Amino acid sequence: QVQLVQSGAEVKKPGASVKVSCKISGDTLTGLSLHWVRQAPGKGLEWMGGLDPEHGEAFYAQNFQGRVTMAGDTSTDTAHMELRSLKSEDTAVYYCATGGRIFGVPITDFFQHWGQGSVVIVSS
Amino acid sequence: QLVLTQSPSASASLGASVRLTCSLSSGHRSYAIAWYQQQPEKGPRYLMKLNSDGSHVKGDEIPDRFSGSSSGAERYLTISSLQSEDEADYYCQTWGTGIRVFGGGTKLTVL
Repeated sequence: QVQLVQSGAEVKKPGASVKVSCKISGDTLTGLSLHWVRQAPGKGLEWMGGLDPEHGEAFYAQNFQGRVTMAGDTSTDTAHMELRSLKSEDTAVYYCATGGRIFGVPITDFFQHWGQGSVVIVSS
Repeated sequence: QLVLTQSPSASASLGASVRLTCSLSSGHRSYAIAWYQQQPEKGPRYLMKLNSDGSHVKGDEIPDRFSGSSSGAERYLTISSLQSEDEADYYCQTWGTGIRVFGGGTKLTVL
């Protein structure tokens, strides 16, 4: 069973950057479709982007283009998400999520497994 | 533009059934979706993938009380024999090339 364990809470000042990590167990990051979703306080889920398992490249939601970088370290089965130029509106819980695999083939479209979430607070 | 629309709230009585709706935007009525449950102060939980023909594949250990169906551009989640722990936010999600989209969510209150 795939498990995703995320890094701890962060408090950042406006304009700073934050890096959140997501450690995978029960599977390997290689060939896995790993995505990031955030949820602002009292708001809904917002997809930020993900890693394409076929090419290992990231693709991002338009709202985050130019401000976010997602990458994976296959040696440690850990994915990272860095968000730059933080604003107060970036205060949220950040989740990593993956569809896992079926018969060894990665599920890329939806998310069966979720990390526990990482709280990021942006405040001066 | 790929958009999912959900009613903000719904309510039903303990032991009753409720049907939640997720509407696909024009031109996307053939799309499959996924349903998620988010209980208070918890992370999202995958419920099922729901296809346009109404067939669905549920996640591990999702009770039989949860089922899905489809009609045109509408995707439904039906919860029968409502229990107190079903009080939660429910989100639908779909996908296209290079994009994943969530609906705004429906807050279900169990009376």
